Amino acid sequence: SSELTQDPAVSVALGQTVRITCQGDSFRHYYGTWYQQRPGQAPILVMYGKNNRPSGIPDRFSGSTSGDTASLTITGTQAEDEADYYCNSRDTSGHHRVFGGGTKLTVL
Amino acid sequence: QEQLVESGGALVKPGGSLRLSCAASGFIFSDFYLSWIRQAPGKGLEWVSHISTTGENIYHVDSVSGRFTIFRDNAKNSLYLQMNSLRVEDTAVYYCARYARWEPVDLWGQGTLVTVSS
Repeated sequence: SSELTQDPAVSVALGQTVRITCQGDSFRHYYGTWYQQRPGQAPILVMYGKNNRPSGIPDRFSGSTSGDTASLTITGTQAEDEADYYCNSRDTSGHHRVFGGGTKLTVL
Repeated sequence: QEQLVESGGALVKPGGSLRLSCAASGFIFSDFYLSWIRQAPGKGLEWVSHISTTGENIYHVDSVSGRFTIFRDNAKNSLYLQMNSLRVEDTAVYYCARYARWEPVDLWGQGTLVTVSS
């Protein structure tokens, strides 16, 4: 089992706000990183660090970390946000990286 | 244009071997750490291996340690994964990815499919 725990599936109504969470002791020491993966495509980076978005990622995406939980929030969710989302951080040794199990986001 | 292109995926029998390659272009290859990340059919992402800029530091996840070897050739802008003693559970799309040492992975290849089956 992964050292990072995500809800397997989350749904949100079009235009509403959704928060996707990832739990793990790693987040007491490191910020979370988030990837979006659409079917049949490679993942893309959507959030990293304290609350940093790569160029080209809409500002409706935001991130936060508190205690042992990292969160990715999408405000005003769009149909194209329907995808799998993976968190990523360091393992308990701090030397290597691991992924959460992924959350399938459905936009209703 | 920064790009990673994997190749070498194939159908192989259990116990067989395969070498994956990843060709990089559009950036200074030797400035970046590189990793192999895999995704079994219908499953999540798994960090498999990574290698430092010079190749001095290497990591393999426990499930492949002793069977897989990551290495790079900075002169050829290429990353490799030698996979031996393949198992059915190694079946996955294998992605090549790059990152700066303390930064997140910011560039992925499109992946190459490895199928281990008799």
